[in-house]
Amino acid sequence: AQTVTQSQPEMSVQEAETVTLSCTYDTSENNYYLFWYKQPPSRQMILVIRQEAYKQQNATENRFSVNFQKAAKSFSLKISDSQLGDTAMYFCAFMRNNDMRFGAGTRLTVKP
Amino acid sequence: KAGVTQTPRYLIKTRGQQVTLSCSPISGHRSVSWYQQTPGQGLQFLFEYFSETQRNKGNFPGRFSGRQFSNSRSEMNVSTLELGDSALYLCASSAGTSAGANVLTFGAGSRLTVL
Repeated sequence: AQTVTQSQPEMSVQEAETVTLSCTYDTSENNYYLFWYKQPPSRQMILVIRQEAYKQQNATENRFSVNFQKAAKSFSLKISDSQLGDTAMYFCAFMRNNDMRFGAGTRLTVKP
Repeated sequence: KAGVTQTPRYLIKTRGQQVTLSCSPISGHRSVSWYQQTPGQGLQFLFEYFSETQRNKGNFPGRFSGRQFSNSRSEMNVSTLELGDSALYLCASSAGTSAGANVLTFGAGSRLTVL
């Protein structure tokens, strides 16, 4: 079974600064999808960004971007110009064949 | 477009009882996945249903079961409740097709407390 590891249980960043959340995964498959989800304190999970493994270009969504290193099985999330509303739990996820597995999450706090 | 709806939002049960949780997916979505979220274990995959068939299953005991109806609504049932079953149960829906990335859209969850 695929495993997803997020090695940073908690992180903090000053408002307007940049922060990078780490994620590694383990799989023997070649075709799969990777995601970052955000769960604010109100707890509704929201998709932040997704990456298809067959695409070499890193995905970008406004202030959110990823650094996808397929050979290293690494999928980090960079948040630029952090805002107070970015405070949340961030989960890295791996999907193949409609089976999505999550990492343990990183609790990010944006400080004013 | 309505989102994923989970009911009930909160419930309290005692050990040994059973519970049924409901999930209505986004209109047109045929896949429903269930997750258990706890502070200690994080998000644990329970099972995924597509067109009334269980397609994927996590590593949970047989006390945890689910089903999906012809309108894609899904229910999950936990029998003989244990204290450790206290958790937030999240449901997510997606198109479920084999092509492309099937983005999961989550509901707000059902918070189960077992006393």
